[in-house]
Amino acid sequence: NAGVTQTPKFQVLKTGQSMTLQCAQDMNHEYMSWYRQDPGMGLRLIHYSVGAGITDQGEVPNGYNVSRSTTEDFPLRLLSAAPSQTSVYFCASSRVGLWGGGEQFFGPGTRLTVL
Amino acid sequence: TQLLEQSPQFLSIQEGENLTVYCNSSSVFSSLQWYRQEPGEGPVLLVTVVTGGEVKKLKRLTFQFGDARKDSSLHITAAQPGDTGLYLCAGASRNKLVFGAGTILRVKS
Repeated sequence: NAGVTQTPKFQVLKTGQSMTLQCAQDMNHEYMSWYRQDPGMGLRLIHYSVGAGITDQGEVPNGYNVSRSTTEDFPLRLLSAAPSQTSVYFCASSRVGLWGGGEQFFGPGTRLTVL
Repeated sequence: TQLLEQSPQFLSIQEGENLTVYCNSSSVFSSLQWYRQEPGEGPVLLVTVVTGGEVKKLKRLTFQFGDARKDSSLHITAAQPGDTGLYLCAGASRNKLVFGAGTILRVKS
C-alpha cells in the first residue's frame, strides 16, 4: 500500500492564480480531511469528508473548495490564491470516524508559497 | 471554538532527563490523540486515549487522559536523541480533530 499520497510536494503561485492539490489513498478509508500547518499554530482543519459525495467545512474553509467523487481521491482547490494561504498542506485519511478514536494517516504534505 | 493549549512550546534537554508535555482545554473531547512529526513529514500517531483517567504506556512514553476528558499529558522517561521532534496533541469532537500548537522537543546527547 502506498498509503496517503499528495502531489505536488512543492508549489509556488502568484496571487490570484488557482490550483488543485491532489490527495489519494489506497486503504479504502471513508474519512478524509485537509489541514494546513503554520508555524506556532499546529494543524487546522480546512475541509473533511465522511464518504464519497459528502463533504463539510472545518475550522478554516474560506478560499478553499473540495469534492469527493470517489473513496480514493479528495482534491483541495484554491480558487484565487492569496499570500495568507502560504502554508504546508496535509491530507489525512481514517478508516473509522474520529469520535471512535480512529487513527488518521497523514500524507507527506504540500508546501505552498503564494507570492 | 474548541481550543487545545499545549505547553511548553519548546523544550531542550539533555539525554537521560525526564520531561512532561501538557495539553489542556476547557472542552470535553471524545478521545485525545498524540502525534509525533519529523521535519518534512506528516504527523504519525503515537497513541489514542478514550476513557477519562486512562493511562497508556508506549516503551518510555506514558500518556494520561484527564478524568474529565479535557486534558492530557505525555511523559517521557530517560529521553533519547531519537525522541527529538514535534509532539502534537489532538482532541476529537464529532468528526473533527482539534490540534494543539505543538511542542518542539530537542534532546541533546
